[in-house]
Amino acid sequence: QKEVEQDPGPLSVPEGAIVSLNCTYSNSAFQYFMWYRQYSRKGPELLMYTYSSGNKEDGRFTAQVDKSSKYISLFIRDSQPSDSATYLCAMRLGNKLVFGAGTILRVKS
Amino acid sequence: EAGVAQSPRYKIIEKRQSVAFWCNPISGHATLYWYQQILGQGPKLLIQFQNNGVVDDSQLPKDRFSAERLKGVDSTLKIQPAKLEDSAVYLCASSLNRDQPQHFGDGTRLSIL
Repeated sequence: QKEVEQDPGPLSVPEGAIVSLNCTYSNSAFQYFMWYRQYSRKGPELLMYTYSSGNKEDGRFTAQVDKSSKYISLFIRDSQPSDSATYLCAMRLGNKLVFGAGTILRVKS
Repeated sequence: EAGVAQSPRYKIIEKRQSVAFWCNPISGHATLYWYQQILGQGPKLLIQFQNNGVVDDSQLPKDRFSAERLKGVDSTLKIQPAKLEDSAVYLCASSLNRDQPQHFGDGTRLSIL
């Protein structure tokens, strides 16, 4: 079993839709939770960084952490074609980051 | 603020050849990381430096991979000899310190023939 599970997609949605991206994890010792966006042939770009259970909002993005269920989510409101990318969840254990495999998102105009 | 710089962007070599990648982190960032990202997978940490010292190299295949960060700024990652399974994107990241978020460069895409 992988430490971090993420559905690879692709997830295809129409412009303006609300997108939900999810990751589950097995190690309850993970402390910090991140979402990165990766465009084709580019490096991952940090979107959201959270520590505690609950919600964190930044513009059109909301990150949700449920430590009791070992489940994290990223919601994108009013999705745009420019949101088309691979979204990677990542979790920190000590000094080490463990990434999910990424979900490919395609937003159609 | 300038981002993490990596070169070259692309490299094609034959198996058993050697190759080196270079990384210049964000100015002032003490922690530097090298990751390997195979197609369809998330990045996997190879080695982590704090200034010019190695913090974690537990997943670095030390029989063929080596890395250094002389003077605590720039870093190089070397593969010698390369194998077909080394085909991947090699990403460099840096952070202010080990507790801060990591910022990534655009990587070097390595193809082994």
